Amino acid sequence: GAGVSQSPSNKVTEKGKDVELRCDPISGHTALYWYRQRLGQGLEFLIYFQGNSAPDKSGLPSDRFSAERTGESVSTLTIQRTQQEDSAVYLCASSLGGFSSNEQFFGPGTRLTVL
Amino acid sequence: AQKVTQAQTEISVVEKEDVTLDCVYETRDTTYYLFWYKQPPSGELVFLIRRNSFDEQNEISGRYSWNFQKSTSSFNFTITASQVVDSAVYFCALSEYDKLIFGTGTRLQVFP
Repeated sequence: GAGVSQSPSNKVTEKGKDVELRCDPISGHTALYWYRQRLGQGLEFLIYFQGNSAPDKSGLPSDRFSAERTGESVSTLTIQRTQQEDSAVYLCASSLGGFSSNEQFFGPGTRLTVL
Repeated sequence: AQKVTQAQTEISVVEKEDVTLDCVYETRDTTYYLFWYKQPPSGELVFLIRRNSFDEQNEISGRYSWNFQKSTSSFNFTITASQVVDSAVYFCALSEYDKLIFGTGTRLQVFP
């Protein structure tokens, strides 16, 4: 079956512009996660969705970052007024349930470069 | 606070050597889960194993084995007879209710 997909795979933008990153989870997965991976670093948690609600947004680094999810499907991560420090790979993952004991399946990521 | 430490930033070995990747974690939870993920050059994370805190049995899967020791808060990963295809970044992660806390990863390079 289809895995987690993300688009675009690469995004180059200018400082100050807004960007939208998309994630399509595995069908039937109720939980969806966004992580950020800076060059040479581990993954930083950004936000978690259970269905279309976000009970944990604790990892969003600033109010320039927001995310939404439609039902138990597509999610969009939006970064407003991008800064060079936002350059990273943004990874999306989904799982069957909302508990971190469940295996998370990761997408290929979106590489964001802010010039 | 939850924390995962992978002290080895990069390891290089020659094919067929055994290699152990270290993972040390900190948590106040009594029930938790530990994971290992592999990130090959393609970038997509691949799940390798999940272990819950009540199961300290070591696990072996082919050339891979894991040693979980609660007494030292460690969950180490050994690859026996390494192969070039094992070259990747390996991440250890700890569950924290609704998310995973990742270590900074260990880059393994296996040379022919």
